[in-house]
Amino acid sequence: EIVLTQSPGTLSLSPGERATLSCRASQSFTSNYLAWYQQKPGQAPRLLIYGASSRATGIPDRFSGSGSGTDFTLTISRLEPEDFAVYYCQQYGSSPRTFGGGTKVEIK
Amino acid sequence: EVQLVESGGGLVQPGRSLRLSCAASGFSFDDYAIHWVRQAPGKGLEWVSGISWNSDNIDYGGSVKGRFTISRDNAKNSLYLQMNSLRAEDTAFYYCAKTMGRGLYAGGYFDYWGQGTLVTVSS
Repeated sequence: EIVLTQSPGTLSLSPGERATLSCRASQSFTSNYLAWYQQKPGQAPRLLIYGASSRATGIPDRFSGSGSGTDFTLTISRLEPEDFAVYYCQQYGSSPRTFGGGTKVEIK
Repeated sequence: EVQLVESGGGLVQPGRSLRLSCAASGFSFDDYAIHWVRQAPGKGLEWVSGISWNSDNIDYGGSVKGRFTISRDNAKNSLYLQMNSLRAEDTAFYYCAKTMGRGLYAGGYFDYWGQGTLVTVSS
């Protein structure tokens, strides 16, 4: 099983600042099949990024994904008030597909 | 508009069974693989099971293998999860999630999610 480790656990930032979230895999997997999701309290997760770097439909361009192999990054260039949430990475290239433990982006 | 609506959750005693359903609309249900993902209250996401567009390929997470059975009825645009021998650790919100692909892997990220149904396993 591929273990995804997200860091930091919590990121305290102010609106307008840049957020950099890390997701590290215990081993590499198929074709960068790595996705990022955003989840707000009481809501279902929302797809942000797939294929490590492709933005999902309707996702603002302040969200970007990068990385390959075992190291992946989600960057939010300038935090908007609605971006404060929990973010999960997920690999879908190997069975069982796995999620990282999440990074909470909170208002400083 | 894509909609996924889960139902069937509730309070159940350990060792008993429960069947979840997911009603899909707004897209060609029989063109896509669909999965179940769960989230214990206040915890992270855990993939449970997935089924390909034609039910030929099915996969389960290790914690539910042998106890849960996923199925789909394309004529009814519905996904199911039969959960047997339930344990306290199965307590969670259960989401159905659509992928972009027909199979279990290529295009297998979750582009739409339902709002979830809560399963509570307790005596």
